[in-house]
Amino acid sequence: AQTVTQSQPEMSVQEAETVTLSCTYDTSESDYYLFWYKQPPSRQMILVIRQEAYKQQNATENRFSVNFQKAAKSFSLKISDSQLGDAAMYFCAYRPTRGTSYGKLTFGQGTILTVHP
Amino acid sequence: DAGVIQSPRHEVTEMGQEVTLRCKPISGHDYLFWYRQTMMRGLELLIYFNNNVPIDDSGMPEDRFSAKMPNASFSTLKIQPSEPRDSAVYFCASSFVQVAYNEQFFGPGTRLTVL
Repeated sequence: AQTVTQSQPEMSVQEAETVTLSCTYDTSESDYYLFWYKQPPSRQMILVIRQEAYKQQNATENRFSVNFQKAAKSFSLKISDSQLGDAAMYFCAYRPTRGTSYGKLTFGQGTILTVHP
Repeated sequence: DAGVIQSPRHEVTEMGQEVTLRCKPISGHDYLFWYRQTMMRGLELLIYFNNNVPIDDSGMPEDRFSAKMPNASFSTLKIQPSEPRDSAVYFCASSFVQVAYNEQFFGPGTRLTVL
């Protein structure tokens, strides 16, 4: 079964600085999708960024980028120029592209990010 | 589009009572998911549907939980009888397989408190 591990329960960063959140996963599939979701205090789950495993290039969305290392099964999220509004719980998630679990997201435990002014 | 709609947003009930949570997915979406979020267990997938048919209910904790999707626009998650350990935030999400990444869109969640 696929598993997703976020080893950092909590992280903190100063406003305008850069922070990296870690995520590792375990799968025997060669193609799959990876996601980072943000959950602010409002508890709404918001998609931040996504990556398909067969794409070599790391995904980027404005201040958010990923470092995808397929061989190491690592998918870290980098937030540049951190803003107070980035404070939230961040979840890493995995989804296969085929098979009986198609469509099913497996989430990591989450990392609480605090942004200090 | 209004997004995924869940009701109620908050529910407080007493142990032993029946609880029904409701979800309206985004129009045109063909997958619907029910998740539960707790501090201890994080985000857990309870059950998901494809074209109104349950595909995987292995996450449903026990027989007290049941979910239905009578049509493409509506789903319910029922707990009967409810217990204090069912207290959690319950999320509904929907997605459309034809869209790249099959991104899941989440509703605002229902915070359930069982006294």
